[in-house]
Amino acid sequence: QKEVEQDPGPLSVPEGAIVSLNCTYSNSAFQYFMWYRQYSRKGPELLMYTYSSGNKEDGRFTAQVDKSSKYISLFIRDSQPSDSATYLCAKGNRGSTLGRLYFGRGTQLTVWP
Amino acid sequence: EPEVTQTPSHQVTQMGQEVILRCVPISNHLYFYWYRQILGQKVEFLVSFYNNEISEKSEIFDDQFSVERPDGSNFTLKIRSTKLEDSAMYFCASVGLYGYTFGSGTRLTVV
Repeated sequence: QKEVEQDPGPLSVPEGAIVSLNCTYSNSAFQYFMWYRQYSRKGPELLMYTYSSGNKEDGRFTAQVDKSSKYISLFIRDSQPSDSATYLCAKGNRGSTLGRLYFGRGTQLTVWP
Repeated sequence: EPEVTQTPSHQVTQMGQEVILRCVPISNHLYFYWYRQILGQKVEFLVSFYNNEISEKSEIFDDQFSVERPDGSNFTLKIRSTKLEDSAMYFCASVGLYGYTFGSGTRLTVV
């Protein structure tokens, strides 16, 4: 069973654009969701995590979870060239930050000035 | 900000050779993980480690793989007899209150 699916892109947008990154996931009992950013030759860096449906904001970033449709999204407002990276969605199947993670393939984003 | 440190950053090895990948987790973390990422593919879970023993492993983590925390600070992944298909980025992670912190990875190239 494929736990998390993500469109690999690539996605190329001009500076200032709103970026929408999306993943779908399969069902499981306990779920928490994360978005990671990965620069070339670096490890994934946690951007945001959430347990529940709805939106969670952190600065220019908004994570959205729709459990009814098993859809998770990351929106980036006022995108900057420094946002150029690969964005990975991930899901955990335990009720905490412990436990193995299931990653999407990652979407490569380029923000051009 | 605390970091997870991995060495070496890049290792080239011949098929059939043993390799040891090293990681220094964040000092007050208790849960440790290895993941790998084959070029162009997903980051995949290999193994989790807690209280000096494996707590979970994936189907990838067969008898060729082993993990160890030899001295209370380092956390190692050993591949006994490398295959071409073991070529990948290997990421160590440790988990604390706010979730995972990943290292920068070791790029393993098997030739």
